[in-house]
Amino acid sequence: SYELTQPPSVSVSPGQTASITCSGEKLGDKYVSWYQQKSGQSPVLVISQDTKRPSGIPERFSGSNSGNTATLTISGTQAMDEGDYYCQAWDSSTYVFGTGTMVTVL
Amino acid sequence: QLQLQESGPGLVKPSETLSLTCTVSGASVSSSNYSWGWIRQPPGKGLEWIGSLHYSGTPYYNPSLKSRVTISVDTSKNQFSLRVTSVTAPEMAVYYCARAPTPLDDHLYFFDYWGQGTLVTVSS
Repeated sequence: SYELTQPPSVSVSPGQTASITCSGEKLGDKYVSWYQQKSGQSPVLVISQDTKRPSGIPERFSGSNSGNTATLTISGTQAMDEGDYYCQAWDSSTYVFGTGTMVTVL
Repeated sequence: QLQLQESGPGLVKPSETLSLTCTVSGASVSSSNYSWGWIRQPPGKGLEWIGSLHYSGTPYYNPSLKSRVTISVDTSKNQFSLRVTSVTAPEMAVYYCARAPTPLDDHLYFFDYWGQGTLVTVSS
């Protein structure tokens, strides 16, 4: 089965840039979406189709996908961006979620 | 405004059947513009897709759960439901229902709206 691997944790200082990677075989051939999940809340879609931000998602969230790695970038990270982030792709008629990354804003 | 609300027993005994319902408001479960899915998250762990009912009416299930899972829709109540048979303790999790827009591209599948989730405990 297809697997998506993320680093368990990323730490970032307020105002700096956080980069969260998602790795999978030939991931660049698929579309990747990203979800933010704050403590005790439901996941929220922040990026779809590799780079598209849904309405209401701040411009500081951006995405890219090439080769075997997709990246979610949070520019000018704010304290409110703390939480868990999951990548997701579609493979062989299944939704596949990444292992998840906890973002801490120090 | 779209809302999805999960409901069902919060406690299920091992080996019994877990049944949950998702009530949708603000969109029609019979619309060809959307698919409807279930995702679960054990405490402190990551997200696991359980299955979806596609806009075509075809159900798709996680291969690891396929033999025990059924997703169905009740258009008269604008609801869709999940059944998981023979549950075990590790299946204790928050269960989410979610909506996926019909893909414009064959590989573009994602969930754009999620319910608040409901915790299901598996214990005797």
